[in-house]
Amino acid sequence: QKEVEQNSGPLSVPEGAIASLNCTYSDRGSQSFFWYRQYSGKSPELIMFIYSNGDKEDGRFTAQLNKASQYVSLLIRDSQPSDSATYLCAVTPLGDYKLSFGAGTTVTVRA
Amino acid sequence: DAGVIQSPRHEVTEMGQEVTLRCKPISGHDYLFWYRQTMMRGLELLIYFNNNVPIDDSGMPEDRFSAKMPNASFSTLKIQPSEPRDSAVYFCASSSDRGVKYEQYFGPGTRLTVT
Repeated sequence: QKEVEQNSGPLSVPEGAIASLNCTYSDRGSQSFFWYRQYSGKSPELIMFIYSNGDKEDGRFTAQLNKASQYVSLLIRDSQPSDSATYLCAVTPLGDYKLSFGAGTTVTVRA
Repeated sequence: DAGVIQSPRHEVTEMGQEVTLRCKPISGHDYLFWYRQTMMRGLELLIYFNNNVPIDDSGMPEDRFSAKMPNASFSTLKIQPSEPRDSAVYFCASSSDRGVKYEQYFGPGTRLTVT
């Protein structure tokens, strides 16, 4: 079992819709959770981080964490063509600084 | 403030040649990470340093790979001898205990092609 698994894509949504991305992790001791966005040919950039159970909102992005279910998600509201990218879920083990990345989910927003 | 700097941006070499990738982390960051990204395997951590000391090199694929960090502003990843299966994009990232803890800032990457 991979440490971090993401729902397989690609995910195609119409402009203005909600894009929902899911991620599960295997290490119950994981403490920090991140969503990175990677445009084609570019490097990953951090868009959201969450440490505690519940929801965290930042603009059009909402991250949701459920440690009991070992599940983290990202919602993109009012999706725009500029949101078309690959979204990487990343997890940090307890007491460590390294990130384990999922394979990524490619999102395409149709105008 | 400049971000993470990597060089070269593109490298094409022949099998068996030595390849050296370079990275300059963000000033003041005390963690430095080397990643490799391929379509098949995704983004994999190779090694990371804290205060110039290697902490975890469990991701280094084999003895052909080596990494050094002689000072706080420079790191190298060397592949000797290179093989076609080493073709990938290699990213360097840095982070700090301050600010958003565990946030890593990625460099633009080096696209390596081994023929």
